[in-house]
Amino acid sequence: AQSVSQHNHHVILSEAASLELGCNYSYGGTVNLFWYVQYPGQHLQLLLKYFSGDPLVKGIKGFEAEFIKSKFSFNLRKPSEQWSDTAEYFCAVGTDSWGKLQFGAGTQVVVTP
Amino acid sequence: EAGVAQSPRYKIIEKRQSVAFWCNPISGHATLYWYQQILGQGPKLLIQFQNNGVVDDSQLPKDRFSAERLKGVDSTLKIQPAKLEDSAVYLCASSLVAGGRNTQYFGPGTRLTVL
Repeated sequence: AQSVSQHNHHVILSEAASLELGCNYSYGGTVNLFWYVQYPGQHLQLLLKYFSGDPLVKGIKGFEAEFIKSKFSFNLRKPSEQWSDTAEYFCAVGTDSWGKLQFGAGTQVVVTP
Repeated sequence: EAGVAQSPRYKIIEKRQSVAFWCNPISGHATLYWYQQILGQGPKLLIQFQNNGVVDDSQLPKDRFSAERLKGVDSTLKIQPAKLEDSAVYLCASSLVAGGRNTQYFGPGTRLTVL
């Protein structure tokens, strides 16, 4: 069965520290990859997405992600965290033509001042 | 542009009772999704509509869950009867069209507690 794994459930870091969240999936075919974010009290919103082309994609608020096909990974990064980045981050993988997404369990990130 | 609307935001019921959730997608969005998010897990797709037709309901527990999208706009998700394990946040999302490269826009969700 297809699955999406996020390596860390909780991450605590200080402002200005760098962030990297891991995401691995199990599917051998073509995939569409997404990172969604849920800020406290808000609904899920798209952070960035990858469909094809340059495997390094940039999203909103300084986030970027790198698709490494050989490792079935789509890791999220940000070089310098801000307190406002405190949120829950979800990796999602689409494997069919209808747009069905499979989500990881999420990583709760807390950025301390 | 108005986002995806859902109501109610919170609902508390006792097991074996019935409950219904409502979703109004972004105007013009043909595709509508219902997800279930249990605490500590990511959202899990329950059902996907393309206009008013069902595209995927493979993970919908059809013995107790039902959903409809009349006229291809608003949608309702019903649980009858509810079980304790149905406690979750029910998310509605919509996208312009179906397809793997389309962004899904999520509503605020309905938090259901079954006692």
